[in-house]
Amino acid sequence: DTGVSQDPRHKITKRGQNVTFRCDPISEHNRLYWYRQTLGQGPEFLTYFQNEAQLEKSRLLSDRFSAERPKGSFSTLEIQRTEQGDSAMYLCASGLDRSSGNTIYFGEGSWLTVV
Amino acid sequence: SQQGEEDPQALSIQEGENATMNCSYKTSINNLQWYRQNSGRGLVHLILIRSNEREKHSGRLRVTLDTSKKSSSLLITASRAADTASYFCATDDGGLTGGGNKLTFGTGTQLKVEL
Repeated sequence: DTGVSQDPRHKITKRGQNVTFRCDPISEHNRLYWYRQTLGQGPEFLTYFQNEAQLEKSRLLSDRFSAERPKGSFSTLEIQRTEQGDSAMYLCASGLDRSSGNTIYFGEGSWLTVV
Repeated sequence: SQQGEEDPQALSIQEGENATMNCSYKTSINNLQWYRQNSGRGLVHLILIRSNEREKHSGRLRVTLDTSKKSSSLLITASRAADTASYFCATDDGGLTGGGNKLTFGTGTQLKVEL
């Protein structure tokens, strides 16, 4: 069990460019989450997958953001036409069935800097 | 949006002292969890307390939950320099208030333990 892995760890991009982050959850976990965290704040929920189905999306997830989990394993988060306000750490987390208490396990995050 | 608010925002103590952090939240919950985050890293799950529990222990951690006051506290006893980190509470409403399957995080307490 290698934990949740995220790639890339750091990304600097110019405003207007598209970026994509990848998350590989813990292998037996069927739930996958994306959160965003800015400096001095707690993680803010973006979206949630149960297997390959995207079941919930935050209002924070504007139409420039899209997330997929095509085979119920890894997930990608794409941000189109990046803006400076998108600069943040993007955290992926995974978990087992809710009956286990909804504990989720985070990756190390992907830092995005939009210049 | 953040569900919980931690208090204090920052706490500085000497090694060996106890550290107490408080969390207040707004809606009914299924369980409440505490997570720890070292600077620039992902979050690590510490402890989960269910809504029908009042107190839980794990090693040097003690968590209390008062659902009537919608508050929780995290006590770290005999603190060590390695405990220096940010601590977040996270609430799971179990879908009771339309929160879906996500955890909603507070704003965090920054703990610094000095030698």
